[in-house]
Amino acid sequence: GQNIDQPTEMTATEGAIVQINCTYQTSGFNGLFWYQQHAGEAPTFLSYNVLDGLEEKGRFSSFLSRSKGYSYLLLKELQMKDSASYLCAVRSPETDKLIFGTGTRLQVFP
Amino acid sequence: GAVVSQHPSRVICKSGTSVKIECRSLDFQATTMFWYRQFPKKSLMLMATSNEGSKATYEQGVEKDKFLINHASLTLSTLTVTSAHPEDSSFYICSARSHEVAHNEQFFGPGTRLTVL
Repeated sequence: GQNIDQPTEMTATEGAIVQINCTYQTSGFNGLFWYQQHAGEAPTFLSYNVLDGLEEKGRFSSFLSRSKGYSYLLLKELQMKDSASYLCAVRSPETDKLIFGTGTRLQVFP
Repeated sequence: GAVVSQHPSRVICKSGTSVKIECRSLDFQATTMFWYRQFPKKSLMLMATSNEGSKATYEQGVEKDKFLINHASLTLSTLTVTSAHPEDSSFYICSARSHEVAHNEQFFGPGTRLTVL
């Protein structure tokens, strides 16, 4: 079966660093995506990993370990506007579809 | 990035009526479009995948006669919720993908909030 797990909720303070973990057990793997979704809005693309290692993009970085079935999204210098849900999604090589995790709701406090 | 639009953004309808939601890729040709459903505070659930000019592929448990999908062109897909009932109330999101875009990335529309009274 397909299983993608993320913590349900996290809180952090403005200016801090937060790491959102994602573990997956899927029948295949063809890349992992991270999306940000504000309430009532569509998900927006943050990052893509297909090889092991760290991808950095400004305040956001994403890490992948395929052997461990593990990824994390790292958000630095947190801002209030970073309060949102963060969705981890794995792409299936057989179907090319995205399988979404449960999502992590992040609340940033002043 | 590429832009995907959805119309309407919000719709309220009476039980038993049908509702059509449009999804358009504005600046690229979408070879594949996906329709998702999202319940409050939950993740996205894939309902169906549609390729231009062919029948949609529905996920297990999704009624194809209930959720009619038409992908008439490379820039337009429609989802029609037929004989809607209150349990169909949800946030429906479409996404579009083009093989011309790096990583075969999917671009999401802004979503349509459907409320069935």
